[in-house]
Amino acid sequence: DTEVTQTPKHLVMGMTNKKSLKCEQHMGHRAMYWYKQKAKKPPELMFVYSYEKLSINESVPSRFSPECPNSSLLNLHLHALQPEDSALYLCASSQDRPAFLVFGPGTRLTVL
Amino acid sequence: AQSVTQLDSHVSVSEGTPVLLRCNYSSSYSPSLFWYVQHPNKGLQLLLKYTSAATLVKGINGFEAEFKKSETSFHLTKPSAHMSDAAEYFCVVSDPIASKIIFGSGTRLSIRP
Repeated sequence: DTEVTQTPKHLVMGMTNKKSLKCEQHMGHRAMYWYKQKAKKPPELMFVYSYEKLSINESVPSRFSPECPNSSLLNLHLHALQPEDSALYLCASSQDRPAFLVFGPGTRLTVL
Repeated sequence: AQSVTQLDSHVSVSEGTPVLLRCNYSSSYSPSLFWYVQHPNKGLQLLLKYTSAATLVKGINGFEAEFKKSETSFHLTKPSAHMSDAAEYFCVVSDPIASKIIFGSGTRLSIRP
């Protein structure tokens, strides 16, 4: 298994909703990442987990809450989002840090 | 600190002609460099990587890149463009000191029939 999977592929939510994005990899990678990507821009780093511990939080608003239940899974819990949070959310993993990243297909999030 | 600059925001070539996407980096030590491709509404796929082995790196789909330390460049090339190459391309550098991955701003490649 050499891929990162993400669910759901698309998500539409209201500003009062609570939802979660999920990411999974079975490559034995020990670092996992959340990126946010707006149209025509490079991905922006949000969070990094290294050996299941949060190692980087790029000053992300608290309405985004990451969770790493185990070495294969990464979640991003969403609550009280704003329309400007609409974007493609990408999960990635790597053998260690820093190293080349394996990206998932992303979740296209729309906040109404 | 390391940085990466993609010199062209948009490149347009005709199908069957060569492709050149330019990338320059700034680093005070030997970097690891990567090229990723992103098709519309998709994730990023690794095209190729340089990690201090051979300076000419071959990747998937006929792409290759040459690491030139004297020019601090890592340009991506392909001899003959195909319509399916139309996508966004990102040059990326790995900064082991800051333990960060740094993305270039991206180059959109368009292919004319």
